[in-house]
Amino acid sequence: QKEVEQNSGPLSVPEGAIASLNCTYSDRGSQSFFWYRQYSGKSPELIMFIYSNGDKEDGRFTAQLNKASQYVSLLIRDSQPSDSATYLCAVNQKLVFGTGTRLLVSP
Amino acid sequence: DAGVTQSPTHLIKTRGQQVTLRCSPISGHKSVSWYQQVLGQGPQFIFQYYEKEERGRGNFPDRFSARQFPNYSSELNVNALLLGDSALYLCASSETVYNEQFFGPGTRLTVL
Repeated sequence: QKEVEQNSGPLSVPEGAIASLNCTYSDRGSQSFFWYRQYSGKSPELIMFIYSNGDKEDGRFTAQLNKASQYVSLLIRDSQPSDSATYLCAVNQKLVFGTGTRLLVSP
Repeated sequence: DAGVTQSPTHLIKTRGQQVTLRCSPISGHKSVSWYQQVLGQGPQFIFQYYEKEERGRGNFPDRFSARQFPNYSSELNVNALLLGDSALYLCASSETVYNEQFFGPGTRLTVL
């Protein structure tokens, strides 16, 4: 079992829709969770982090954490074509990454 | 404010050679971490340094080494390069080991 698992996608959504990206992790003791966005050929860019159970909102982005289910998700509201990228979930301070989910937002 | 900087941007080496990659953290950040990202995969943790001390090491062979300088910049060294070392090498900085990490643009290493 991989430490951090993500569906590789692609996840295709129309412009203006909500994109839902999911991530599960195996280490029950994990305390910190991060979402990075990576455009093709570029380095990862931090977009959200969450440490406590529940929801955390920042603009069009909402991170959701459920430690009991070992599940963290990222919602992107009003998706734009510029959101098309690979979204990487990472866990813990020495970041353990999933393989990423490719998101495609069509105009 | 300047972000994390890395040099060089691209590098081509042959098998058996040695390479040194450099990283300057965001001003005020005292921790630097190194990651390797191969195509189609998420980054893999190599090293973490804080206040010049190694605070963590990933599952990489001893051919990989790193250090952090008094100004908090860092170098990653890889000896006896293998074809499989071809990857994007990412440096990330954070205020401490407990804070969010911000990545530099990376160094793309190609080993022929």
